[in-house]
Amino acid sequence: KAGVTQTPRYLIKTRGQQVTLSCSPISGHRSVSWYQQTPGQGLQFLFEYFSETQRNKGNFPGRFSGRQFSNSRSEMNVSTLELGDSALYLCASSSGTSGRVETQYFGPGTRLLVL
Amino acid sequence: AQTVTQSQPEMSVQEAETVTLSCTYDTSESDYYLFWYKQPPSRQMILVIRQEAYKQQNATENRFSVNFQKAAKSFSLKISDSQLGDAAMYFCACGRGAGGSQGNLIFGKGTKLSVKP
Repeated sequence: KAGVTQTPRYLIKTRGQQVTLSCSPISGHRSVSWYQQTPGQGLQFLFEYFSETQRNKGNFPGRFSGRQFSNSRSEMNVSTLELGDSALYLCASSSGTSGRVETQYFGPGTRLLVL
Repeated sequence: AQTVTQSQPEMSVQEAETVTLSCTYDTSESDYYLFWYKQPPSRQMILVIRQEAYKQQNATENRFSVNFQKAAKSFSLKISDSQLGDAAMYFCACGRGAGGSQGNLIFGKGTKLSVKP
């Protein structure tokens, strides 16, 4: 099976702009989670989507949003970018159907630089 | 709330030797899972090993094994016969078990492992 893919891999934006990142999960996986990784804060959970519904949300401002499509692909959007949004954004997928914690498989990440 | 603590920011090991990475966690959940992930310079997070909290037997995966001490809330990773390819950041993570969201892992700050030839 193909792994989790994320596009684009690298992105440079300026403050105030918005950005959309995309994640395609492993075929058959219905749960997609997003994480932000920074040197200072480490890995922080953003949100999780399952069957097009947000199932859980981390402690991030409303500028961070996401959605999931019927084919389980997910996008996350960050509006009004700030310098502190510069980070590696990781997407992870799991089947999401067992009702228990499942192993999450991560994509290669999108590195966002805000200037 | 769950917290995960990795007290060793950096570790070093000689090739072919054994190294142990420490992790402690705190959770109010009775049902939870623990993971070790590896992140090499390529930044791709790779699952190393997972442990179900309800299982007393320590998980093993080839050269990787864990020492799970539930009462002490400790979850250390032992890497035997270290190889140059083991050099990476290692993250300990905790996730809730059944019920609610399963897609929310809490990660430690990581331990950077260097392997000397």
